[in-house]
Amino acid sequence: KQEVTQIPAALSVPEGENLVLNCSFTDSAIYNLQWFRQDPGKGLTSLLLIQSSQREQTSGRLNASLDKSSGRSTLYIAASQPGDSATYLCAVMNYGQNFVFGPGTRLSVLP
Amino acid sequence: GAVVSQHPSWVICKSGTSVKIECRSLDFQATTMFWYRQFPKQSLMLMATSNEGSKATYEQGVEKDKFLINHASLTLSTLTVTSAHPEDSSFYICSARPRGSSYEQYFGPGTRLTVT
Repeated sequence: KQEVTQIPAALSVPEGENLVLNCSFTDSAIYNLQWFRQDPGKGLTSLLLIQSSQREQTSGRLNASLDKSSGRSTLYIAASQPGDSATYLCAVMNYGQNFVFGPGTRLSVLP
Repeated sequence: GAVVSQHPSWVICKSGTSVKIECRSLDFQATTMFWYRQFPKQSLMLMATSNEGSKATYEQGVEKDKFLINHASLTLSTLTVTSAHPEDSSFYICSARPRGSSYEQYFGPGTRLTVT
């Protein structure tokens, strides 16, 4: 059974810092991995999708990497801003084509 | 494109009553829809997968008689929480997979259910 963990559970940083969020999964036979953002009481916003054959994806200040063999992904946020404050969820899609979500990292960027 | 809506966005009901949540794909046909539940400060847990025109597949531990799922058309799935209890209070999120896609999922904005 696929299990997804995320470290740290919570993170508070001053504005402008670069930061890294970590995601680990137990079964490397994944179809893809996706990073989402969730604001309090809201739905999910897709940030980056990495197919199993890819190593990384970039969008603006965000960069996500995938090391399938070691079961790890990182989300790098450059030059963080207060508007980046949210919960970041890592989700792995297995070949059953269902998402398994991690518990999330709650990020606070202080002005 | 690829917008998924949910209605209502929030609902309060009394213990023992039933409440229906709708999930609609607005600009695409969805052969598969997924229902997730999220408790406060926890992650999303898949409850069930529904395919248009067939019975939903429930995850282990989810009571199918309590959480009734109907996927009657290619753009609409409904989740009915029957005989709701306070412990059913949660954030329910649906997602929809477009017809012909093997992996895409687009998420709705969620429905906050509070059972008093």
